[in-house]
Formats: sequence, structure tokens, C-alpha cells
Amino acid sequence: QKEVEQDPGPLSVPEGAIVSLNCTYSNSAFQYFMWYRQYSRKGPELLMYTYSSGNKEDGRFTAQVDKSSKYISLFIRDSQPSDSATYLCVVTRSGGANNLFFGTGTRLTVIP
Amino acid sequence: DAGVTQSPTHLIKTRGQQVTLRCSPKSGHDTVSWYQQALGQGPQFIFQYYEEEERQRGNFPDRFSGHQFPNYSSELNVNALLLGDSALYLCASTLGSGANVLTFGAGSRLTVL
Repeated sequence: QKEVEQDPGPLSVPEGAIVSLNCTYSNSAFQYFMWYRQYSRKGPELLMYTYSSGNKEDGRFTAQVDKSSKYISLFIRDSQPSDSATYLCVVTRSGGANNLFFGTGTRLTVIP
Repeated sequence: DAGVTQSPTHLIKTRGQQVTLRCSPKSGHDTVSWYQQALGQGPQFIFQYYEEEERQRGNFPDRFSGHQFPNYSSELNVNALLLGDSALYLCASTLGSGANVLTFGAGSRLTVL
């Protein structure tokens, strides 16, 4: 069983739509959750970082963690063409690059 | 403030050859980690360098080796290239080996023919 599972998409939505991206994970010990955004031909960049359960909002982006279900989500409100990218969820129980588990990424296209 | 820089951007090699990829970490960072990202997959951890030593290693064969220099820059070497080594190789830097928020470079795309 993989540490984290992510629907690869691709996902296409019209501009202005609300986007929901989701991941499930296997180990209840994971307590740090991140979302990275990766534009084509670029490296991933950190978008959201959360600890334990709950919601975190940053502008049009909301990260949600439900530890009881081992389910994490990223919501994008009023989606823009500039949001078109691959979104990677990441889970970890501690620090260190070797302890990060990446999802396969969901490719999102926002159509003008 | 310069981010993580990687070179070369693209390269093509043939099976059996050797390749060296280079990385300069973000200013102020002292730890470099290397990842392999196959098409349509998430990054897979190769190894991490801190204080010029390999500190952690993922599930990659000994054909993958690296080095960190006193200025914190790093190299990734891959010997005896296989077709399956074709991927985007990402370098990420942090301050300290225990950090879990990574700053990634744009990657080096390796194609093995």
C-alpha cells in the first residue's frame, strides 16, 4: 500500500470554478501535510503547509485535513488560468527530506 | 535572492554512459536533497547531503552517487545509465537536515536513449 494516494486527473474546469483536489494516506502517524504546485517544466513550489487536523486558508486556497478519515484536500476558489499546473500532496510524520511522501500529482487545467 | 539553480536544463545520453548534474542551493541553505521524478509520478527521494556527507539515502542503487562541496553546492552522478533513468532530476535545499519544507530547483531533464 502506498503511503499517499492521489487521483492523477487530468482535471479541466472553466475559469471561476471551485476546484477540489484530494489525497488519502495510509499511516495515522503522519501529522504534517503539504501541497506543492508544479508548473510545466518547473520544480515544485510550496503552496500550503498544515499541521494536524483542521483548515488553513491563504487567499483563494484552502487546505483541509481530516485525520480521522486520513483524507486531505486542497480547494481553489475562483480558479484562474494561472492555476493550471500539477498539484502534489505531501505527507510526513517528522522532518527530513527522506521522510516526505509525495502523491503522484493531479494535473489541473483552468479554461478561460 | 537566488533560488535553487540546476544545470544542465536538458541532456540526452545513451545507455551505459555516465552523467553529472549540478545544483546550487538557495542562499542561506546548507542542505541539499536530490529527487527523481518520472513522467506522471511524484518525486522519489534519492539522497541528502549535509556538511559534505551523505546523510540519508532512498531506495536507489549505488550507480547513483553524489557530492557536496564546501560552498554547499552539490553534484549527482549516475553511472551505467539505463533507459529507466530517464526522468526529471530535482534538487531541493533546506536549512538543516531535519527541515521538511523544501525549495526546489527547476530540474534537469535527462533522456537516456
